[in-house]
Amino acid sequence: QVQLQESGPGLVKPSGTLSLTCAVSGASITISNWWSWVRQPPGKGLEWIGELYQIGGTNYNPSLKSRVTISVDKSKNQFSLNLTSVTAADTAVYYCARGRHAFDVWGQGTMVTVSS
Amino acid sequence: EIVLTQSPATLSLSPGERATLSCRASQSVSTYLAWYQQKPGQAPRLLIYDASNRATGIPARFSGSGSGTDFTLTISSLDPEDFAVYYCQQRSDWPPKLTFGGGTKLEIK
Repeated sequence: QVQLQESGPGLVKPSGTLSLTCAVSGASITISNWWSWVRQPPGKGLEWIGELYQIGGTNYNPSLKSRVTISVDKSKNQFSLNLTSVTAADTAVYYCARGRHAFDVWGQGTMVTVSS
Repeated sequence: EIVLTQSPATLSLSPGERATLSCRASQSVSTYLAWYQQKPGQAPRLLIYDASNRATGIPARFSGSGSGTDFTLTISSLDPEDFAVYYCQQRSDWPPKLTFGGGTKLEIK
């Protein structure tokens, strides 16, 4: 059974960098799979941030592309999200998920607040 | 850029009734359309993928249909646990991007 677990700071200062990690268990991250980050501001809908595929390839939401980096750590079977120059608008629950056309496995999500 | 529009924004029904939720795409998405259920404080749960295929463990009362630009999620007989927010989602491969609809809140009447 594949499980995903997000971790990282729950509070980030404005203009700082948001860094999160998604630990994958029950599957090898190196096997052909697609891994994404999705976020949800409080009381709002879902927004795709970007994805990692074929262990090295990345695609990003054009609206966030200039600030986002997704990377993989094969030795730890995890992947990470870095979002730079954050503002209050980046306050959200951040999820990691597996899938290319649909997300069949999700992490529980982690709340990140941008505030001084 | 493909935009997904869900309607209605809120649907008020009683347990046992039939629910019909709509998702319209601004341009054709073939059949790469998925539906999710989200309850408060929980991650989304995949219900339907490729427009009409139920995900593992999803009850038969959930069904999806449609192609091109118009898609429907039907819940044949509402169970009390079905009251939640539902999102549709599609993927375009060029440029690569996944988008979600704005959601339909299914509430108890």
